[in-house]
Amino acid sequence: DTEVTQTPKHLVMGMTNKKSLKCEQHMGHRAMYWYKQKAKKPPELMFVYSYEKLSINESVPSRFSPECPNSSLLNLHLHALQPEDSALYLCASSQLPSGASYNEQFFGPGTRLTVL
Amino acid sequence: SQQGEEDPQALSIQEGENATMNCSYKTSINNLQWYRQNSGRGLVHLILIRSNEREKHSGRLRVTLDTSKKSSSLLITASRAADTASYFCATGGTYNQGGKLIFGQGTELSVKP
Repeated sequence: DTEVTQTPKHLVMGMTNKKSLKCEQHMGHRAMYWYKQKAKKPPELMFVYSYEKLSINESVPSRFSPECPNSSLLNLHLHALQPEDSALYLCASSQLPSGASYNEQFFGPGTRLTVL
Repeated sequence: SQQGEEDPQALSIQEGENATMNCSYKTSINNLQWYRQNSGRGLVHLILIRSNEREKHSGRLRVTLDTSKKSSSLLITASRAADTASYFCATGGTYNQGGKLIFGQGTELSVKP
């Protein structure tokens, strides 16, 4: 199974709502990533988890709260978002790089988030 | 921050023609990867070229890397309508970088049947 799944595909939420995005992979990857992508722009890294521990936080506002409950699952909890947070949120996974090696990342289809 | 620029930003060609996209980057690299993204979907890894390689082929794809000019190009030969997508170069992804990839601005390719 070389697939990364994300749910939901689309999400519309108000600024006072609390919602969660979910990501799952069964490739045995121990690195998982959250990216944010605005229209006609490249993906921007938000968070990296390595061995279920947060290893990189790209100065993301606290209204975004990531969670990695086990090696297959990655969540992104959303609270008090702003309209400018509307974007495509992409999850990815990869083998953990070691030494000078580098690995391709496998991306899910994304969740299209609209904040009203 | 983004690593560099890609050009052209948009490219429109007829089926059967070749498409060339260029990527420039700012810092020294260990590798450079190319990804494709169909409209509003996730990214798909196409090819990786290491810093000690100059050219690499995969099917209809040919990637070149010039580390002295800090640039790479992706050539798609005999393009098809199904190649219509956005193409991104990406650098990084190593252990020392925590696996972090930095993407170029992307080229939007449209292949007309």
